[in-house]
Amino acid sequence: GESVGLHLPTLSVQEGDNSIINCAYSNSASDYFIWYKQESGKGPQFIIDIRSNMDKRQGQRVTVLLNKTVKHLSLQIAATQPGDSAVYFCAENIAGGQNFVFGPGTRLSVLP
Amino acid sequence: DGGITQSPKYLFRKEGQNVTLSCEQNLNHDAMYWYRQDPGQGLRLIYYSQIVNDFQKGDIAEGYSVSREKKESFPLTVTSAQKNPTAFYLCASSIVTAGTEAFFGQGTRLTVV
Repeated sequence: GESVGLHLPTLSVQEGDNSIINCAYSNSASDYFIWYKQESGKGPQFIIDIRSNMDKRQGQRVTVLLNKTVKHLSLQIAATQPGDSAVYFCAENIAGGQNFVFGPGTRLSVLP
Repeated sequence: DGGITQSPKYLFRKEGQNVTLSCEQNLNHDAMYWYRQDPGQGLRLIYYSQIVNDFQKGDIAEGYSVSREKKESFPLTVTSAQKNPTAFYLCASSIVTAGTEAFFGQGTRLTVV
């Protein structure tokens, strides 16, 4: 099951630098993964997804890397901007499963 | 303009009262979900529904109830049996439950006074 009640980790980066947000997922049978961005008081927004038959997928300024060997997912944001400040969640969907399991989230703070 | 709508945005409830949160989607999605989010924490699954007239308990279903009489609608009732109902509630939908993106509403913040 997912972890609950954990203190939210925070990543602080300078504006213009690259950000890397990490996520360890729980189930080796998971075959679909999503990164969401959540701004304060709002619902999560889809950023990028990846399926287990891929190691890497790129979007606009974002890249997701998947390492199935160690059950690790990362989100890279290039040239981080103030508007990127938010909480970022990874979510996994187990093959044949019926719902998403969310990680605890990471708060990204962009420093001027 | 397709999307998923939650109402109200803010809701106050007295202890001992039931309250119902609305969730409507016009995306023609089969699957719908309710999550609870507490400050500084991740999302925990309350209930989900794969299809009309069917729903399943999630990890924290106690004290909550749902119905799925229409494809577009998945209301959540927070009952008086829920011991700590103050939280941010998020509704989501997806085409099907496995392997497709879930779209979220903007959430309802419930406060028990």
